Amino acid sequence: GENVEQHPSTLSVQEGDSAVIKCTYSDSASNYFPWYKQELGKRPQLIIDIRSNVGEKKDQRIAVTLNKTAKHFSLHITETQPEDSAVYFCAATGNQFYFGTGTSLTVIP
Amino acid sequence: DAGVIQSPRHEVTEMGQEVTLRCKPISGHNSLFWYRQTMMRGLELLIYFNNNVPIDDSGMPEDRFSAKMPNASFSTLKIQPSEPRDSAVYFCASSLQTGNYGYTFGSGTRLTVV
Repeated sequence: GENVEQHPSTLSVQEGDSAVIKCTYSDSASNYFPWYKQELGKRPQLIIDIRSNVGEKKDQRIAVTLNKTAKHFSLHITETQPEDSAVYFCAATGNQFYFGTGTSLTVIP
Repeated sequence: DAGVIQSPRHEVTEMGQEVTLRCKPISGHNSLFWYRQTMMRGLELLIYFNNNVPIDDSGMPEDRFSAKMPNASFSTLKIQPSEPRDSAVYFCASSLQTGNYGYTFGSGTRLTVV
């Protein structure tokens, strides 16, 4: 099956700085890579996704890049704000989602 | 659409009791997933269904856990008998189909077994 590794496990940044979270996967057949944000006590929510035929996708302050050759993908958050503080999960899909272990992001005002 | 609906939101039960968690997926979604989340283990997939049929239950921890999906709009996860180590947040999620579509999670059921 798929194995998704996510780094770092915790990340603290100053408000306004950028944050980058990286994931690697093992199954070359995986072709869909979503990112979820989970605020404390709430459900994971899809914030952005990318498919294997695309190298980069951007939505306002959030962007995701994918390198299929190297089997890694990253989440980039620019101009971070305190409300970006949450746990972020990456996932890679074959027949089901294989989630990373999560990154706890803290944005310091 | 009201999204994925789970009930109850919170459940506190005594060890040895039966617990039933319920989920109503988004109408039209063909895939349904049950996850368990704990600090130690993160998000664990317990079981998933395609078109009401269980596809992979390899994540179900023990025979004490069982799940059913009698129709496209309802699923249950049952734990009998419950144990303190079952305490966790249980999420149900649904998707148009497995693979290339994102999941929509329900609000979760926070289970505490004392």
